[in-house]
Amino acid sequence: QVQLKESGPGLVQPSETLSLTCTVSGFSLTSNSVHWVRQPPGKGLEWMGIIRSGGSTDYNSALKSRLSISRDTSKSQVFLKMNSLQTEDTAIYYCANFRFDYWGQGVMVTVSS
Amino acid sequence: DTVLTQSPALAVSPGERVTISCRASESVSTGMHWYQQKPGQQPKLLIYGASNLESGVPARFSGSGSGTDFTLTIDPVEADDTATYFCQQSWNDPRTFGGGTKLELK
Repeated sequence: QVQLKESGPGLVQPSETLSLTCTVSGFSLTSNSVHWVRQPPGKGLEWMGIIRSGGSTDYNSALKSRLSISRDTSKSQVFLKMNSLQTEDTAIYYCANFRFDYWGQGVMVTVSS
Repeated sequence: DTVLTQSPALAVSPGERVTISCRASESVSTGMHWYQQKPGQQPKLLIYGASNLESGVPARFSGSGSGTDFTLTIDPVEADDTATYFCQQSWNDPRTFGGGTKLELK
């Protein structure tokens, strides 16, 4: 069945770069898109970006200068990298499939020194 | 960006009918979707394309609307429906989410 699972560090220092991995199963990245969405504690959801089946990407304009999404189709993995992290980037980070009908469990990332 | 506005919270009694609204700052046609999120869980898709019930979601949930005004209806509400409900639009780039409506049961 379709599954997505996020992984990455739970704690990141301010000004450093966040690197997260979304490992998918049950579908191919070459025929399906994957989104990244984040949710600060107690707050709403923010769409971050998408990597499409053909490999192209779109980003939230508010994050575009700091954000990069890539993938390794052979490993069924999608990567998120975001630089210059600040405390306001503290959030649960989710990956989800194109229809948003499957989501990962999320990974909590805290930005703190 | 398209701003989606939701009321912050609602409180209803089990067995009642509840409507949760979402207003878009510009037309999103029928590109509106609804999610349920319980504490500590990821969002769950309930309604897609404004009015289409996602497979496996109870028929107590329904959606309506087009353009800028949308509604999620739960009828009748059950205790397990305690959650936060988010709308999301996919018509305009970037995709945006509403701030969420927290549904509490009396």
